[in-house]
Amino acid sequence: DVQMTQSPYYLAVSPGESVSINCKASKSISKYLAWYQQRPGKVNKLLIYDGSTLQSGIPSRFSGSRSGTDFTLTIRSLESEDFGLYYCQQHNEFPFTFGSGTRLEIK
Amino acid sequence: QVSLKESGPGILQPSQTLSLTCSFSGFSLNNYGMCVGWIRQSSGKGLEWLAHIWWNDDKYYNPSLKNRLTISKDTSTNQAFLKITNMDTADSATYYCARTLRPHWHFDFWGPGTMVTVSS
Repeated sequence: DVQMTQSPYYLAVSPGESVSINCKASKSISKYLAWYQQRPGKVNKLLIYDGSTLQSGIPSRFSGSRSGTDFTLTIRSLESEDFGLYYCQQHNEFPFTFGSGTRLEIK
Repeated sequence: QVSLKESGPGILQPSQTLSLTCSFSGFSLNNYGMCVGWIRQSSGKGLEWLAHIWWNDDKYYNPSLKNRLTISKDTSTNQAFLKITNMDTADSATYYCARTLRPHWHFDFWGPGTMVTVSS
């Protein structure tokens, strides 16, 4: 199975600031990585897929990038609605695997 | 408007079989490219993909649970199902269904999840 190592585990950031969350795959997954947001009382939301493709309806302050097996989710100008949990998922091969999550909280 | 919603028993005893239903709208599993997957989330193991079913009835399972999982669908009622046999306390989790649209393999729409507790 492809292991996804996500970091950091926790971030406390002020609104308006920018943040980066990282995921490293244990082997090549090509570009096939997705990012999801999880918030209490809300349905999980797809943000980015194929490493850098923004899902329809997601604000452009979210972006994804890739360098080899390292992937980064960047959120610019954080808004209050951005705080929550973030997960990566490799969608290159079975079984699909997820990162352990990053909790993004308001400082 | 795509939406999905999971339903399940809430609580069951060890060794019992879990039966979950995913009721969806806004798409049909009769249509080319449509797939529904099941994912669970527990505090101990995070998010774990379980199984997928395709519009053409192809099925894919996580090998770590393969012998215990059965995924199926009923296109006439817009539902997908997952059965897990021989449930254990370690299977206590929130179970989600989500849509996948081929050729992609990410989940573009999720249900709110249903919590399942295994306890004697």
